[in-house]
Amino acid sequence: DAGITQSPRHKVTETGTPVTLRCHQTENHRYMYWYRQDPGHGLRLIHYSYGVKDTDKGEVSDGYSVSRSKTEDFLLTLESATSSQTSVYFCAISESSGGADTQYFGPGTRLTVL
Amino acid sequence: GDSVTQMEGPVTLSEEAFLTINCTYTATGYPSLFWYVQYPGEGLQLLLKATKADDKGSNKGFEATYRKETTSFHLEKGSVQVSDSAVYFCALSPRFSGGYNKLIFGAGTRLAVHP
Repeated sequence: DAGITQSPRHKVTETGTPVTLRCHQTENHRYMYWYRQDPGHGLRLIHYSYGVKDTDKGEVSDGYSVSRSKTEDFLLTLESATSSQTSVYFCAISESSGGADTQYFGPGTRLTVL
Repeated sequence: GDSVTQMEGPVTLSEEAFLTINCTYTATGYPSLFWYVQYPGEGLQLLLKATKADDKGSNKGFEATYRKETTSFHLEKGSVQVSDSAVYFCALSPRFSGGYNKLIFGAGTRLAVHP
């Protein structure tokens, strides 16, 4: 158990509404990541963080923003949700940036945008 | 760019059958290679990994060998159980990725094992 929780676990919302997903870790790891999982695509990186207030874009960042005000919390915000953002969202953490390091994943949030 | 290709599923097997899930990759240099498993309704868990050529990762009866010459990291298990039913993801991490632990995933292969 890597000590990662995500909230909410399930959410249904309407197009155009703002949505914030939360990732909380108890491991004090420096690096945190948000992915989305869609059939046929595996997991794709949305944004990542390499420290408090330090974030950067991933592969599919359009329509998403993130914030990290504390080491343990990494928030993902959809400013105006669209149906194409219906997906399962996973948070992950890693201790370092090294290629051999392991990422540990949270349980996921299933988001449905109607 | 770097990429991972794994065999399409679903793969359907009877209990105690031999399992192979193929994974090939394209990358510059010497990436680290991973297999993650996702059980229904859960997040991904690391199953095994290998960080250099000819390394063999193993865990829970699963094995995969890092083959640089064929750019492959095929997952194998000698005798599958119903409890192995899950989605399996092959992934690579470049040795140098510009400041974060970059993971590139394959599309995933669903395995269904029947009694």
